[in-house]
Amino acid sequence: EAAVTQSPRNKVAVTGGKVTLSCNQTNNHNNMYWYRQDTGHGLRLIHYSYGAGSTEKGDIPDGYKASRPSQENFSLILELATPSQTSVYFCASGDVGTGNEQYFGPGTRLTVL
Amino acid sequence: GEKVEQHESTLSVREGDSAVINCTYTDTASSYFPWYKQEAGKSLHFVIDIRSNVDRKQSQRLIVLLDKKAKRFSLHITATQPEDSAIYFCAASMNSNNRIFFGDGTQLVVKP
Repeated sequence: EAAVTQSPRNKVAVTGGKVTLSCNQTNNHNNMYWYRQDTGHGLRLIHYSYGAGSTEKGDIPDGYKASRPSQENFSLILELATPSQTSVYFCASGDVGTGNEQYFGPGTRLTVL
Repeated sequence: GEKVEQHESTLSVREGDSAVINCTYTDTASSYFPWYKQEAGKSLHFVIDIRSNVDRKQSQRLIVLLDKKAKRFSLHITATQPEDSAIYFCAASMNSNNRIFFGDGTQLVVKP
């Protein structure tokens, strides 16, 4: 079964601090995604990747960086965290070969104080 | 880019009744329309999808209808049960890549 894991599951950070959210998938999918979910906004795409070494900007990339060092791992980096980045973050993986279905991780709840 | 609008932000039905969630999309190149379910405090998981080569698909109590001319699609949940209570997201995608454009979600409440 497709498996996407995220760490940490919960994180409290201070304004101006650096935060790294990690995602690992064992599906051997080429594509990986980072979304944030806020009440009233549904899911918004931050960054995505088509494979190791590639990152693409999504719809709301400002204030975020992404890194895809391997097929399995995709990180989201907040260099200077701000309270507006308090949210729930979901990682997902997928492939055109899987019929475009995306498999989501359990989510990370980030609070920036 | 593609924009998916989900018309109902909340929907309340009585157990046993049917629920209908409606969505529209803007890009005629979209050809794949999945639906995801998010139960309270949990992540999203796929429930059903439809491709543009058909206009109806059913999986048990879930029926998806697609009207390509109107760029509209809908999820029908028949004989609703309390465990159907969740947020449902409609989405659209093109076959050429895996990127999915999500609607804002519909909170479905099934009252006993």
